[in-house]
Amino acid sequence: DGGITQSPKYLFRKEGQNVTLSCEQNLNHDAMYWYRQDPGQGLRLIYYSQIVNDFQKGDIAEGYSVSREKKESFPLTVTSAQKNPTAFYLCASSTDRETQPQHFGDGTRLSIL
Amino acid sequence: QKEVEQNSGPLSVPEGAIASLNCTYSDRGSQSFFWYRQYSGKSPELIMSIYSNGDKEDGRFTAQLNKASQYVSLLIRDSQPSDSATYLCAVNPPGGGNKLTFGTGTQLKVEL
Repeated sequence: DGGITQSPKYLFRKEGQNVTLSCEQNLNHDAMYWYRQDPGQGLRLIYYSQIVNDFQKGDIAEGYSVSREKKESFPLTVTSAQKNPTAFYLCASSTDRETQPQHFGDGTRLSIL
Repeated sequence: QKEVEQNSGPLSVPEGAIASLNCTYSDRGSQSFFWYRQYSGKSPELIMSIYSNGDKEDGRFTAQLNKASQYVSLLIRDSQPSDSATYLCAVNPPGGGNKLTFGTGTQLKVEL
């Protein structure tokens, strides 16, 4: 079945530690996105990529980094510079046409130890 | 002014009633509009897309778009307890490529 796989489902970060969230899709989508969702809030865009080896900052990129070495994969690293990383992280993908919706993975819930 | 606005709710409706969820957006040239359903602790799930003025029906769901008034709505007929969730409105703004701007969502509670 085609879809978006995020791992792990739950992740705990220690002070000063970088952690990487995985996102893999087999939908042959060109565009991929990372969002952060805090309780009772909407989705805020962290980074997005419309093509391999290229990505752009979203609204809240500080303290995060990404790479897009393969079409299928768009990992997100939460660095130690992100002082409030506790949130629900969602990865999405879409075709590169503006009229098409985004489809989401199941998410990763990150907490601080 | 927020780019996409929704009433946070909760909106409570009795089982079997029609639930009406509303969303307004600020970018007049927006062309694509989506409704997502998000159950507590889960990821958003696409339930409707609409691109042209008027109504679009899919089962118990009807999306309504009025570009002149810059609002999009979602009607859920014969509401069921399983419809209890947060509904997110998403808009593709002009010049944004295929990025979406999301509202903060409306929580719907369908009561027995």
